Amino acid sequence: GQSLEQPSEVTAVEGAIVQINCTYQTSGFYGLSWYQQHDGGAPTFLSYNGLDGLEETGRFSSFLSRSDSYGYLLLQELQMKDSASYFCAVDYGQNFVFGPGTRLSVLP
Amino acid sequence: NAGVTQTPKFQVLKTGQSMTLQCAQDMNHEYMSWYRQDPGMGLRLIHYSVGAGITDQGEVPNGYNVSRSTTEDFPLRLLSAAPSQTSVYFCASRTSEGNYGYTFGSGTRLTVV
Repeated sequence: GQSLEQPSEVTAVEGAIVQINCTYQTSGFYGLSWYQQHDGGAPTFLSYNGLDGLEETGRFSSFLSRSDSYGYLLLQELQMKDSASYFCAVDYGQNFVFGPGTRLSVLP
Repeated sequence: NAGVTQTPKFQVLKTGQSMTLQCAQDMNHEYMSWYRQDPGMGLRLIHYSVGAGITDQGEVPNGYNVSRSTTEDFPLRLLSAAPSQTSVYFCASRTSEGNYGYTFGSGTRLTVV
């Protein structure tokens, strides 16, 4: 079966660093990706981990450990505009399966 | 380059009515998918396609049909709308090459009364 877990909510202050975790119970996938979705908007692609390790894209980094069935999204130098929902998604090639999402609130 | 275009943006249907949600992409992506998103929940896969003429069911396919006659278009048909189909529907596409994510359309907000 396919099962991904994320914390439902995370709160942090502007300028801080926050880590959003994603644990999964699945196998045979190509990679783990992350998406951002603002209220009322569409999901937008942030990052993709095809291999274990850290991928860095500006203020955002993402990590995957297949042996630990675990990944995370790291957001640095938080800004108010980072307040949004964040979804991890497993890539099965022909389609993705999304996690339930984590709502990040950035406080001034 | 418009990306993924969904129409309509909003729709209200009566129970039992049928309709088609349109989705078109101009990026020559092979893979296309339809997801629904309910309040406070993640995205659930309805149907997907890996190329023209090839479609398959996702997690929640009941009550929906799809077809893929061209690379560009991937319409979603609601056969007989039910209140349980009230949701936001997203169409997405991606290339089959490389480690890239999906590009999503702006969504269709559907209410079934």
